[in-house]
Amino acid sequence: GAVVSQHPSWVICKSGTSVKIECRSLDFQATTMFWYRQFPKQSLMLMATSNEGSKATYEQGVEKDKFLINHASLTLSTLTVTSAHPEDSSFYICSAMGTTGEWSYNEQFFGPGTRLTVL
Amino acid sequence: AQSVTQLDSQVPVFEEAPVELRCNYSSSVSVYLFWYVQYPNQGLQLLLKYLSGSTLVKGINGFEAEFNKSQTSFHLRKPSVHISDTAEYFCAVSSSGTYKYIFGTGTRLKVLA
Repeated sequence: GAVVSQHPSWVICKSGTSVKIECRSLDFQATTMFWYRQFPKQSLMLMATSNEGSKATYEQGVEKDKFLINHASLTLSTLTVTSAHPEDSSFYICSAMGTTGEWSYNEQFFGPGTRLTVL
Repeated sequence: AQSVTQLDSQVPVFEEAPVELRCNYSSSVSVYLFWYVQYPNQGLQLLLKYLSGSTLVKGINGFEAEFNKSQTSFHLRKPSVHISDTAEYFCAVSSSGTYKYIFGTGTRLKVLA
């Protein structure tokens, strides 16, 4: 149980285009999802917290208009990198938090990540 | 504010030797602690977690960690490592009342033949 998927696993795009990354909780409902960014050989940095049916909460320094987050259902959150540039190239990881039961301990379940390369 | 410190950026160790990866945290409230492993170009895999109860936590792949509240530490140990344990290891902390995780900077474990 508690499986989180991401699609695509990797994507290459041209500078100036937009890229959408999906994060799905496959066997549980997630009222809250998180998006992280990881640069090579660095740690995970939280970008935003996504709550189903409401606007995402962005961390300081993260551009809301650049990284659009939508959490339209209890099993899907999307991250759209708008007008991508080479400096947006990174590994993006999502996580989902369960709503009840054993997940009352604030446990996050992580997706496998999406590697974005902007040319 | 919470923070997590992993003092060792890299730890080389010979196969079948024991290893300890250090993690210290700062928080003024009750915490939940996690260790994750990340293999190249992959996501995070949970090794073990401390939520409450026994301070000695056993995880997958023979790893264990001990929560020490007085020293604010949660060091990861394995008595005998394998080549396949070569990976990046992250410690993370979350506090009661918040859903956010704070990650350490990671420790690269390199197991040598």
